[in-house]
Amino acid sequence: DAGVIQSPRHEVTEMGQEVTLRCKPISGHNSLFWYRQTMMRGLELLIYFNNNVPIDDSGMPEDRFSAKMPNASFSTLKIQPSEPRDSAVYFCASSQTPVELFFGEGSRLTVL
Amino acid sequence: AQSVTQLDSQVPVFEEAPVELRCNYSSSVSVYLFWYVQYPNQGLQLLLKYLSGSTLVKGINGFEAEFNKSQTSFHLRKPSVHISDTAEYFCAVSLYNTDKLIFGTGTRLQVFP
Repeated sequence: DAGVIQSPRHEVTEMGQEVTLRCKPISGHNSLFWYRQTMMRGLELLIYFNNNVPIDDSGMPEDRFSAKMPNASFSTLKIQPSEPRDSAVYFCASSQTPVELFFGEGSRLTVL
Repeated sequence: AQSVTQLDSQVPVFEEAPVELRCNYSSSVSVYLFWYVQYPNQGLQLLLKYLSGSTLVKGINGFEAEFNKSQTSFHLRKPSVHISDTAEYFCAVSLYNTDKLIFGTGTRLQVFP
């Protein structure tokens, strides 16, 4: 099994640009999570989906952030427009049962 | 709402010494408890989990944790650490039978030769 696959691994962009992060969950997993990790705030749950439906998006910081899961094998997290304070590592994770999450290697975003 | 507190942001220890990483949680209902490890530039990996049953849980790489309901704690221990255990360790909690996982702020374990 290839595990959770995230792309890009690194992204450097300028303030105001649109950023799209992508995630392919493990096949057969029915829940998908987006987390953000920063030194100041640690790991924050942004949003999670169950069977492609958003269940809890209370962690999405503001309207500039949006997430979609058009099918069971793909999800995107979009930031538009991006700001320097969005710089962080964004992790995608998936699970089959409500007890164990499998994490991708993360997408490191730098907004200049 | 649930929360997790990891009191120690950093724990330095010499190789082959024992180590304990502390975790306390807050919840008014039954929870599941987890420890994850993050090596540099990698995602998180599950070390161990407590769902029910025996309060002493054994995980990978020789780690174990004990669930203490009265003290609302789930401390992680290893009797003898190795250099390769140097990493960030996260305690996490989720409500019984839900997907939402809340993480603590992490403890950086630094093992010195």
